[in-house]
Amino acid sequence: EDQVTQSPEALRLQEGESSSLNCSYTVSGLRGLFWYRQDPGKGPEFLFTLYSAGEEKEKERLKATLTKKESFLHITAPKPEDSATYLCAVQASGSRLTFGEGTQLTVNP
Amino acid sequence: DTAVSQTPKYLVTQMGNDKSIKCEQNLGHDTMYWYKQDSKKFLKIMFSYNNKELIINETVPNRFSPKSPDKAHLNLHINSLELGDSAVYFCASSPRTHDPFLFFGPGTRLTVL
Repeated sequence: EDQVTQSPEALRLQEGESSSLNCSYTVSGLRGLFWYRQDPGKGPEFLFTLYSAGEEKEKERLKATLTKKESFLHITAPKPEDSATYLCAVQASGSRLTFGEGTQLTVNP
Repeated sequence: DTAVSQTPKYLVTQMGNDKSIKCEQNLGHDTMYWYKQDSKKFLKIMFSYNNKELIINETVPNRFSPKSPDKAHLNLHINSLELGDSAVYFCASSPRTHDPFLFFGPGTRLTVL
């Protein structure tokens, strides 16, 4: 059975304090790993897709990386508007997404 | 223009009641889903429909019954509500089956008293 574990559960940063979120996964035949952002009271929104180990994607202050066992979401010089819950999901070949429990990020001004 | 919309946004009801949640997407997608998110933010798929046909039916109590009148609409009816049904229910859509690029609705927060 596919498994996704995210850490930490919650992370508080000061504005400008860079850090990383972790997503560890166990899946048979990874087809893709996906990062979503969820703001309070809203549905998740798609951020990145990573398909193979070594791949990296960037968007503004966010950079996602992938190894054979985990993915990191690096946040460089975060701003308060980056506060959200970040969800990681994996997809094995021909199957549905399996989500992790998310990391709730709070960036204080 | 809202891509995936759900109604109602909030639903507070007593144990034993029956309630429905409606979902509509205007993206022209073929596949729609219902997800349940518990208090720990864990998102779990419940059902998936492709062009009105049920294709994913997870281990969900029979009290939950989805209905898709057309490929743009997917409703969820819940009978005999229980305390444990309290959660946020998200509708989502994707261009095709097992496509990981999901577009989520705003969610319906169900509270069973």
